[in-house]
Amino acid sequence: DAGVIQSPRHEVTEMGQEVTLRCKPISGHNSLFWYRQTMMRGLELLIYFNNNVPIDDSGMPEDRFSAKMPNASFSTLKIQPSEPRDSAVYFCASSPNHSSDYTDTQYFGPGTRLTVL
Amino acid sequence: GNSVTQMEGPVTLSEEAFLTINCTYTATGYPSLFWYVQYPGEGLQLLLKATKADDKGSNKGFEATYRKETTSFHLEKGSVQVSDSAVYFCALTVNAGGTSYGKLTFGQGTILTVHP
Repeated sequence: DAGVIQSPRHEVTEMGQEVTLRCKPISGHNSLFWYRQTMMRGLELLIYFNNNVPIDDSGMPEDRFSAKMPNASFSTLKIQPSEPRDSAVYFCASSPNHSSDYTDTQYFGPGTRLTVL
Repeated sequence: GNSVTQMEGPVTLSEEAFLTINCTYTATGYPSLFWYVQYPGEGLQLLLKATKADDKGSNKGFEATYRKETTSFHLEKGSVQVSDSAVYFCALTVNAGGTSYGKLTFGQGTILTVHP
């Protein structure tokens, strides 16, 4: 299997521009998670989906952030408008979550490094 | 709520030294515990896990034992290698009546550097 695929790997944009990050989870996985990683705040969970339905978006920092999962093989995280403080590495992870106690491994993508100037 | 506290880093060791990274947790409910590792420039990957008290997770020479009485899950390795240099994250999940879907709560991460 190819693993979790994220694109782009690097994104440099100017303040005020719209940014769209993309994620293709591992085929057959039911849950998808978006994280943000910075030196100051560490690893933060932004939002997660189960069977394409958003379950908890309480980690989304503000209305400028939105996420969608139109089907089982694709998700997007959009920032509009972007600001310099959004600069971070954004990770997507997927999990099969076939076990009844939800202890399945989360598989992380390589991340998208976003720089907002 | 749920939280994970890891020992502060960075940790710097010489090759073949013994490694311990402390991890303690608080949880509402019965957690499953994990260690993830992040190598430079990569995403996180599962290193080991334990799902009930007294279980020992192990992988690649690393071990951690689920200690319910001390709410701890310390990571150990008897002899580290340069290739173990990475960031290590302790994490937990609690099956909150089937509504958490494996949501992980992570510690802040501990940077490990191993010198030859």
